Amino acid sequence: QKEVEQDPGPLSVPEGAIVSLNCTYSNSAFQYFMWYRQYSRKGPELLMYTYSSGNKEDGRFTAQVDKSSKYISLFIRDSQPSDSATYLCAMSNNAGNMLTFGGGTRLMVKP
Amino acid sequence: KAGVTQTPRYLIKTRGQQVTLSCSPISGHRSVSWYQQTPGQGLQFLFEYFSETQRNKGNFPGRFSGRQFSNSRSEMNVSTLELGDSALYLCASRTGATGEQFFGPGTRLTVL
Repeated sequence: QKEVEQDPGPLSVPEGAIVSLNCTYSNSAFQYFMWYRQYSRKGPELLMYTYSSGNKEDGRFTAQVDKSSKYISLFIRDSQPSDSATYLCAMSNNAGNMLTFGGGTRLMVKP
Repeated sequence: KAGVTQTPRYLIKTRGQQVTLSCSPISGHRSVSWYQQTPGQGLQFLFEYFSETQRNKGNFPGRFSGRQFSNSRSEMNVSTLELGDSALYLCASRTGATGEQFFGPGTRLTVL
């Protein structure tokens, strides 16, 4: 079993929908949690960064971390076709130097 | 502030050859990490350098090596290339004070 599990999708939603992306993990030492967006043939772009548990909001994006359940989420409000990409969750221990990634969820937002 | 840059962006090599990839981190960032991305295995950690010292290494054979220079720029070397080394190689930098890592565009390596 992988340390970080993520549904590969694809997830197809209409424009304007609220999108929910999730990851589960098994390593209780993880303290840093990140969400990246990756367009085809590009490098991952950091969207959200959270330390330990809690919620964080940035524009249309909200990240949630529930360490008791070992579960993290990313919500995208008012989704746009430009949000169509692969979303990767990543996490690391307190040293923060080695990221463990989920396999990525491919999101398609239809106009 | 300029982002992470990687050169070259594309590379084609044949089995048995060796290759060197280069990464320039964001100004002020002292930590550079390397990752390999393939369709089958996803993104996997290779190693991390901080102040010219390798601090952590992933589960890759010794053919994969790296180094960091005093200006924080980093190079990664793969010797005796195998077909399975075909991948997108990504470099990420961070200040070292937090866990946020910022990625470059990657170098796409094809081994024939």
